[in-house]
Amino acid sequence: EIVLTQSPATLSLSPGERATLSCRASQSVSSYLAWYQQKPGQAPRLLIHDASNRATGIPARFSGSGSGTDFTLTISSLEPEDFAVYYCQQRSNSGAFGGGTKVEIK
Amino acid sequence: QVQLVQSGAEVKKPGASVKVSCKASGYTFTGYYMHWVRQAPGQGLEWMGWINPNSGGTNYAQKFQGRVTMTKDTSITTAYMELSRLRSDDTAVYYCARDIGLSYSYYYMDVWGKGTTVTVSS
Repeated sequence: EIVLTQSPATLSLSPGERATLSCRASQSVSSYLAWYQQKPGQAPRLLIHDASNRATGIPARFSGSGSGTDFTLTISSLEPEDFAVYYCQQRSNSGAFGGGTKVEIK
Repeated sequence: QVQLVQSGAEVKKPGASVKVSCKASGYTFTGYYMHWVRQAPGQGLEWMGWINPNSGGTNYAQKFQGRVTMTKDTSITTAYMELSRLRSDDTAVYYCARDIGLSYSYYYMDVWGKGTTVTVSS
């Protein structure tokens, strides 16, 4: 079973700052990784799939990179609506998610 | 528009079963796999499995095998997830979510229901 570990658990930043979130897989998942955003009381929203492909309607400030075991989600300049929890998910072996990173307002 | 509408909240006793429905509209129901994902209070997301609404084929996460059954009724474009032998740690919000792939499971989910809260308590 592939385990995804996200870091940090919490990221405290101000609007306009750059956010860098990490997701590490216990074994290679090639480029088969997605990122989701979830706000309180809402369902998750797909942001990125296959490591670097933005989903339909996702702003360009969201970008993904990485392959193998190390992946990064970057938000170039945080907007107020970007403060949320972010999850990575792999599809190399079932659909397991990482534990999440909360991006909070500093 | 594409949407998934889930059934209402449930309260169940330990040992009982729960069946959650997910009605799809706005797209070809049989063309996209449907996933089920749950989220315990204050916790992360947990993938449970998928169903192919065309063939009825399923793939369950190992953790839930033997306890979960995913079915569909194509005539009413509805998918179902039944979880049996409920325990208190099954208390969670259960989401259905459409796969992004046409006639193939990519495991990525682009359309989500609003979730169904299932509470297991004696």
